[in-house]
Amino acid sequence: DTGVSQNPRHKITKRGQNVTFRCDPISEHNRLYWYRQTLGQGPEFLTYFQNEAQLEKSRLLSDRFSAERPKGSFSTLEIQRTEQGDSAMYLCASSPARGGFLEETQYFGPGTRLLVL
Amino acid sequence: DAKTTQPPSMDCAEGRAANLPCNHSTISGNEYVYWYRQIHSQGPQYIIHGLKNNETNEMASLIITEDRKSSTLILPHATLRDTAVYYCIVRVGGQTGANNLFFGTGTRLTVIP
Repeated sequence: DTGVSQNPRHKITKRGQNVTFRCDPISEHNRLYWYRQTLGQGPEFLTYFQNEAQLEKSRLLSDRFSAERPKGSFSTLEIQRTEQGDSAMYLCASSPARGGFLEETQYFGPGTRLLVL
Repeated sequence: DAKTTQPPSMDCAEGRAANLPCNHSTISGNEYVYWYRQIHSQGPQYIIHGLKNNETNEMASLIITEDRKSSTLILPHATLRDTAVYYCIVRVGGQTGANNLFFGTGTRLTVIP
């Protein structure tokens, strides 16, 4: 399978613990996005990487959240001191960089479902 | 950056065409319309996109009105596996030009046997 993969698929943690999620984009896709989706809502943008550079962060991304994409390949999203409000599906998407930004198809992974007790 | 309006839910009989409408009256001339769908507990799946011409692929057809203020996604022969939430999205570019997709709440399509 050459799609976007995410690990783990499910994570249950206790409030106050740190968690880390991994995303492996489609090979040679330069752009990588993280989104968060809570129950009954559509996905919401969190942050974006162009290769290894994190170029944009949403206001949803509090100081407890950090994302990295070393060497422009896989990416990790870490949440420190988790809170019950962090419970959500965390989605990763990748897309190829082609000239303009307006026509860009993002391909999503299956998501990591986080439950904070 | 344009936003979209979709009906919250629709039903369709199995084997019939499903026509999902979307309004995007503030769309800019160079912004594309994208459709994704999300089957329960899975990541969003890309379906189709277009600028001004009608588009067709193996999954669906996209009809965009001449004034580009609305579009319709057509699933020609809906099956039970097409039951999902369908999102109509117009690019919402961030400060760096990133395509921060704004999903909204979409249309929940239920295909009925």
